[in-house]
Amino acid sequence: EPEVTQTPSHQVTQMGQEVILRCVPISNHLYFYWYRQILGQKVEFLVSFYNNEISEKSEIFDDQFSVERPDGSNFTLKIRSTKLEDSAMYFCASSEDGYEKLFFGSGTQLSVL
Amino acid sequence: GENVEQHPSTLSVQEGDSAVIKCTYSDSASNYFPWYKQELGKRPQLIIDIRSNVGEKKDQRIAVTLNKTAKHFSLHITETQPEDSAVYFCAAQTAGGTSYGKLTFGQGTILTVHP
Repeated sequence: EPEVTQTPSHQVTQMGQEVILRCVPISNHLYFYWYRQILGQKVEFLVSFYNNEISEKSEIFDDQFSVERPDGSNFTLKIRSTKLEDSAMYFCASSEDGYEKLFFGSGTQLSVL
Repeated sequence: GENVEQHPSTLSVQEGDSAVIKCTYSDSASNYFPWYKQELGKRPQLIIDIRSNVGEKKDQRIAVTLNKTAKHFSLHITETQPEDSAVYFCAAQTAGGTSYGKLTFGQGTILTVHP
């Protein structure tokens, strides 16, 4: 069964550093998302992306965050200057039609020291 | 925006018993309600979903019911097994406009099934 893949599985960085989290969505999917989950809390929506542009973003997704689809397969989340409170599990997800059945990747655990 | 409340936060049952997890949502325009199972340190996995034009859906030991009027939906697991132990999240999606696939999640329920 096709899966969303994410790399790296763990990322440790110093406060103020830039990080790029990478995702390969399911190949025939057209809608891509980033969600995050702070330890012990609910999964939170960050951003949705369709047709090479952001469809919607949450209040969490401020100017420090950006997303990109640099080629036909990868989907990236960049955090320009990481803060301690950015420490979380970041999940990429994709959907075929944007309405149902989001499939999540296995996540990148980001630790900001 | 949408707000989803989920109860209980923890649920402990004996193997073979049934488990019920309930969620309420606030936005009457929400029309898609998935349930995800998340084992420790792993990805949320879609286990069942329901659309707003359906009142109930069943898949083997799991079922979901939806009451649009009351704006609540529930997950029912029958004949629970230890491998059902996980965190379960409900979610709601409001389609239309630019809200493609934006899920609002509940707080999660830690289900423990004791052998």
